[in-house]
Amino acid sequence: KQEVTQIPAALSVPEGENLVLNCSFTDSAIYNLQWFRQDPGKGLTSLLLIQSSQREQTSGRLNASLDKSSGRSTLYIAASQPGDSATYLCAVPGGFKTIFGAGTRLFVKA
Amino acid sequence: EAQVTQNPRYLITVTGKKLTVTCSQNMNHEYMSWYRQDPGLGLRQIYYSMNVEVTDKGDVPEGYKVSRKEKRNFPLILESPSPNQTSLYFCASSLSIRGPNGYTFGSGTRLTVV
Repeated sequence: KQEVTQIPAALSVPEGENLVLNCSFTDSAIYNLQWFRQDPGKGLTSLLLIQSSQREQTSGRLNASLDKSSGRSTLYIAASQPGDSATYLCAVPGGFKTIFGAGTRLFVKA
Repeated sequence: EAQVTQNPRYLITVTGKKLTVTCSQNMNHEYMSWYRQDPGLGLRQIYYSMNVEVTDKGDVPEGYKVSRKEKRNFPLILESPSPNQTSLYFCASSLSIRGPNGYTFGSGTRLTVV
């Protein structure tokens, strides 16, 4: 059974800092991995989608990497800004379902 | 604009009064799913649908029904809502569960059952 874990659960950093969010999964036979952002009480916004054949994806200040063999993905945020404050979730397909991690709550201090 | 549309955004209802939350997507996606999100419990899948007339239970299906008569619509039905169904609900769709497009989420429906 696929399980997804995100570490840390919460993170507080000063503005401008580079940071890494971690996502680990137990079954490496995944088709893709998706990172989302969620603002409080709002819906999930897709940030990056990495296919199983890819090693990383980049969008602006965000870079996501995927290492299937070790069951890990990282989301790197460069030069963090207060507007980056949100919860970040990763998700992988598990059979006919999609399994989400519990998320990392990020707070960027101005 | 490609999107998943849920209605209503907010709903307060009383115990036992049947309600339907609608979900519609305009991307011709085959796969659709409903989730509920509760503090400390994360996102939990309620039901999913692989295609028209094909639905299956997720992890927390009790107290819910769904139907998929058309590809674009996937309503969530609560026949007799109870206070423990107070939650934030999300509908999501994907071209296929196996990608390459990933998930698109609706904006959510905040349901309160009193």
